[in-house]
Amino acid sequence: AQTVTQSQPEMSVQEAETVTLSCTYDTSESDYYLFWYKQPPSRQMILVIRQEAYKQQNATENRFSVNFQKAAKSFSLKISDSQLGDAAMYFCAYRTLNNDMRFGAGTRLTVKP
Amino acid sequence: DSGVTQTPKHLITATGQRVTLRCSPRSGDLSVYWYQQSLDQGLQFLIQYYNGEERAKGNILERFSAQQFPDLHSELNLSSLELGDSALYFCASSVDSGGFTDTQYFGPGTRLTVL
Repeated sequence: AQTVTQSQPEMSVQEAETVTLSCTYDTSESDYYLFWYKQPPSRQMILVIRQEAYKQQNATENRFSVNFQKAAKSFSLKISDSQLGDAAMYFCAYRTLNNDMRFGAGTRLTVKP
Repeated sequence: DSGVTQTPKHLITATGQRVTLRCSPRSGDLSVYWYQQSLDQGLQFLIQYYNGEERAKGNILERFSAQQFPDLHSELNLSSLELGDSALYFCASSVDSGGFTDTQYFGPGTRLTVL
């Protein structure tokens, strides 16, 4: 079964600094998709970035980028120039071939002014 | 705003009761997914419908059922409610062109409280 592990329950970063959130997953599939979702206090789930497993190039969306290491089954999220609005729970997710999503337990990010 | 709408926003009910949660997907999206987010279980996938047909099933209890109507909106029915069913229920939708590549966009959720 596919599992997703986020080993950092909480992280904090100074405004304008860079922070990296870790995620590892376990799977026997060769093709799959990985996602990072952000959940602010409003509880809305917002897509941050996604990565196709067959692509070696790491995905980037403005200040957000990933470090995808397929062999190591690692999928970390880097947030550059952190802003107060980045404070939220961040969930790493794996989409299976059966189209369901497996989520990690989440990392709560605090941004200090 | 993701374009996915869910009603109601909040629902308070008693144990043993039955409730219906409603979801309208983004315009053009054929797939609807239901998720449960609780403190002890985290985010769990419940079920997916594609163009009216059940496509994938996750950790959905037998007391729960869902359907997708011809206009593509979906309803999640929860019956014989227990205290442990208290959670935030999300609906998500995607275009779903046939593969599993489509990104899911989440609605704002329905918070269910069972007393």
